[in-house]
Formats: sequence, C-alpha cells, structure tokens
Amino acid sequence: QQQVKQSPQSLIVQKGGISIINCAYENTAFDYFPWYQQFPGKGPALLIAIRPDVSEKKEGRFTISFNKSAKQFSLHIMDSQPGDSATYFCAASMNTGFQKLVFGTGTRLLVSP
Amino acid sequence: DAGVTQSPTHLIKTRGQQVTLRCSPKSGHDTVSWYQQALGQGPQFIFQYYEEEERQRGNFPDRFSGHQFPNYSSELNVNALLLGDSALYLCASSSELKGSYEQYFGPGTRLTVT
Repeated sequence: QQQVKQSPQSLIVQKGGISIINCAYENTAFDYFPWYQQFPGKGPALLIAIRPDVSEKKEGRFTISFNKSAKQFSLHIMDSQPGDSATYFCAASMNTGFQKLVFGTGTRLLVSP
Repeated sequence: DAGVTQSPTHLIKTRGQQVTLRCSPKSGHDTVSWYQQALGQGPQFIFQYYEEEERQRGNFPDRFSGHQFPNYSSELNVNALLLGDSALYLCASSSELKGSYEQYFGPGTRLTVT
C-alpha cells in the first residue's frame, strides 16, 4: 500500500511533442503528490506538486492531472524540448506531519531534436 | 538564497568501515530527511530529523544513524559498511514551521563501498 507505480520506464518524444508520464497509488491516505526532475549526477529538483482537492495544476509547460477516484496522477510536458531530457519521478506523502516521500521507479525521458 | 548543500560530493570506503555524510538545509528550513538512491532506482526514505530528534525511520537497519544540530544541519552515519550500501545519499529539507510539504533536495553524496 506504500507503493507508487510509475510508467513508462522510458520515453522518447520528438521536440515539440507532448510527454506523458503516469503514476498510480493504493494508499488513500496520500494527500500530496509532487513530481521531481533529476539530471545525471544531480539531486532531484521539485518540478510541480498537487493536492487531491484539485484535478489539474499547470505551471508553464508542465501540467499535473489528478484522478482521485482512479487513484492516478500524471505529468504532461507540453512542447517538449531537448533540455527536458532527464529522469522524472512521481512521489506521494501523507498528512502525518512527517512528510515522508514515497517515490515511483522513475521515467527516463529523451527528447529528440 | 543558498539551497541544500551536502558534503562530501564523492566518497570511497572499504567494507566494514564507517562513514559520515553532512547536510546543511535550505535557509529557513528546520526539517531534514535522508534518502538512499540506488543506481536506476527512486530515492528510498531513511529517516527524518526535526528539533534534533529522529521522528520517523524507513526500512533501514540500525547501522544507519543520524543527528541534527541546533543550527538544523544534519549528519548521516553508516557503520559496518556493506557493498550494498553503495548509492547516492540525498538530503532533503523542508519547513515544519511553515507547514509546507515541499521538500528540496541537495546534490547528494555518491558513496562507493569496495
């Protein structure tokens, strides 16, 4: 129940296309869902996050869609650029005050020029 | 505004040795969490420190211990190193005082155990 399942494992998108990464969870106590971007040799960088009280959040070219009934959420990268090539992790945490993040297994995104 | 800093960047140790990793949180943050990231995997939660006390621990043995200092910086200690401890160790900081869920990660310490 603590798992967050992420797919696909890897993704190749042409420049200008839309990249879509999906995550699913079981634990309904999760109430915070961030996405992190990680470049090789670097730490994860917080990209965008959502709470269950909204179904969509957009920041620039990045959008999170959240489906509470299906227990699924996804990251959409519009107008994907070669500089977006990185590994993306979804995560989830519970409102216990401890803010322990449970991460998905990651998606390696390659945006071809 | 300084972000999360970690030291050292890289470390090579031998099986059975002990190691100490250090972390300084982002300015204004009071909570430090440690994660282990094996190659090709997502980060795994080790433990979290707030008000100089460990308040939650993930599924890691007692060989992993930590400390938080009055200035909110933190150390991660690993005793009796095993080959399987080779990983990127990440520190993340957040603000309990602000009630924010956002955790910001440092660049990590790459530990290699030979």
